Parts: sequence; C-alpha cells; structure tokens
Amino acid sequence: GNSVTQMEGPVTLSEEAFLTINCTYTATGYPSLFWYVQYPGEGLQLLLKATKADDKGSNKGFEATYRKETTSFHLEKGSVQVSDSAVYFCALRKDSSASKIIFGSGTRLSIRP
Amino acid sequence: KAGVTQTPRYLIKTRGQQVTLSCSPISGHRSVSWYQQTPGQGLQFLFEYFSETQRNKGNFPGRFSGRQFSNSRSEMNVSTLELGDSALYLCASSLYGSATGQETQYFGPGTRLLVL
Repeated sequence: GNSVTQMEGPVTLSEEAFLTINCTYTATGYPSLFWYVQYPGEGLQLLLKATKADDKGSNKGFEATYRKETTSFHLEKGSVQVSDSAVYFCALRKDSSASKIIFGSGTRLSIRP
Repeated sequence: KAGVTQTPRYLIKTRGQQVTLSCSPISGHRSVSWYQQTPGQGLQFLFEYFSETQRNKGNFPGRFSGRQFSNSRSEMNVSTLELGDSALYLCASSLYGSATGQETQYFGPGTRLLVL
C-alpha cells in the first residue's frame, strides 16, 4: 500500500544551520507530494508541494524536489531560524481519485538561538 | 478570505458520551475532509464530504460519523466515546476534493478532544 517514511525526530539545530529532513514514499502511480508544518497548538499548514517527477516545491526558504528514481522528497533549508521550530509532516496523495492524504509520522524540529 | 474554522477548540468529555464537532470551510470550498491526530497513530483520514454526500471513508468504526450541510459546513459526531478517542481532530477543505485529485487541502486549527 501507499506509505510515507520520514526521519525520526527530534532534530535540534542552531540558528543559521542547514536543515535536511528526509522523506521517502511508497506508492503506485504518480502521487502528489507535500510538506506540511504544524506550529505548537495549531493545525497543519501547507508548506510546499510537488505534483510530478523532478518538480521542486519551495516556500519560505524551504525546498523539496520530487525524485521518482529514489522515491524521495527531502525537505531542505539553507539557514534555519528559531521561528522554524515546529513539527514537519511529509505526505502524499494518490493522483487517481482519493482526497485522502497519507502522512508520515512527523519530525519535530527545534532551533536553538 | 477567512480560513477554515473549527469549533469548539477544546472539549472534555467522559467515556460513553457522544460529541459533535463543527467545521466551516473556506468560502466557496465544497469538499471537507476530517482527520484524527494522535501521538500513537499519527494523522489518519476519517472521511470526506462533498455536496452533502460522503465520498471517501477511512478505517474507523461506525461510532464515527459525519454530515455536510448545503452551505458546505460539516459536522463530525463520535458516539459512545472511548479513552482512545482523545485526539486532535482536524478538518480540511478544498474546492472539489477528490474530484480532481490535484487540489491543495487547507487545514483548520483543530478541535482537541479529551475523553476522561
């Protein structure tokens, strides 16, 4: 079946460090891929998305590239800020019919000043 | 444009009771999906409603039900509450949902339910 695996957290970095959060997926066909972010006490916010192979999603300095050959969608940011502290979810949606989104387990990111 | 709103934000119930949660989608959006978030199971899809009809359903028992009104607002009901139903319940809206398969879902802030 379809699934998403992302790196275990928590991840703790210093401000201005480089961030990578790994995400790989298992799916038939050509799913759409997403990164969502959840700040403390809030719901999910869409961070970025990619709908086909080699697409790069980007937003707020974050980037992720849809790699079909490695079934990956790793999240990166060149210089993190304290305000980036949150839980990040990698997710996929099958492109056929379901609106159902399948989420990874989430990675908690903490940024030290 | 206002975002997805959910009420109430917090709720405490006891085992055996029933609860109703409400979700108002973004204006113009006709699809509403519900998700349950728990520390153990993560984020899991409950169901999707479109034009007052349930269109997709996840693997949850019949105690979990929902409905959608003509103005696209949706309610979710959980009957005979169990301790394991304690969770953050998230609602998401999109224009047409699974009809296109390409849309972005916008999430509300969630309702945190605690069952004692």
